[in-house]
Amino acid sequence: NAGVTQTPKFQVLKTGQSMTLQCAQDMNHEYMSWYRQDPGMGLRLIHYSVGAGITDQGEVPNGYNVSRSTTEDFPLRLLSAAPSQTSVYFCASRGIEMMNTEAFFGQGTRLTVV
Amino acid sequence: QQQVKQSPQSLIVQKGGISIINCAYENTAFDYFPWYQQFPGKGPALLIAIRPDVSEKKEGRFTISFNKSAKQFSLHIMDSQPGDSATYFCAATKETSGSRLTFGEGTQLTVNP
Repeated sequence: NAGVTQTPKFQVLKTGQSMTLQCAQDMNHEYMSWYRQDPGMGLRLIHYSVGAGITDQGEVPNGYNVSRSTTEDFPLRLLSAAPSQTSVYFCASRGIEMMNTEAFFGQGTRLTVV
Repeated sequence: QQQVKQSPQSLIVQKGGISIINCAYENTAFDYFPWYQQFPGKGPALLIAIRPDVSEKKEGRFTISFNKSAKQFSLHIMDSQPGDSATYFCAATKETSGSRLTFGEGTQLTVNP
């Protein structure tokens, strides 16, 4: 059982470059979300999805796009990378049942923008 | 604006001691309060969670105390072990909001042998 898989694990981008962070889950979870982790700030929600075809903005959405064409995948796109987007990115998923509230996280993608 | 405030930022305890991490929240709509444990290079993993209908939840050496009127909750780690050394995050959410968690700033716990 792979859980939540993120690729790549590490990435270095130049300012202005674009890239897609991949996230896939094999638990048939409806809910998926993207967070960024910065020192002293905890994890902050970027975008989230409550199901295929449905996405919405979180706390820090600027500079990021998402789409959800399947239940399994939830890619995060950086259209024009900026040094302020240097961070560790985590994808999470959760089942829809009210009592199944555990969110499972991937291993993270460490992104450096130079 | 941080809706969940966590303290301390770092904590050093001796093996066998008690580790205490505190959190305070603002949004009274929150109805689920998990604690996550994160080891270096790994994603956060659920450690223990509580709902506001109880004031305390215990799982092994880990206990959450919850004070609804004060909008505060805390994690107690009894008999702390070197293997507990990690970063701990409190979080809060409304259960119907999916996987939208609001996290505290994190506490780096070091347990010395």
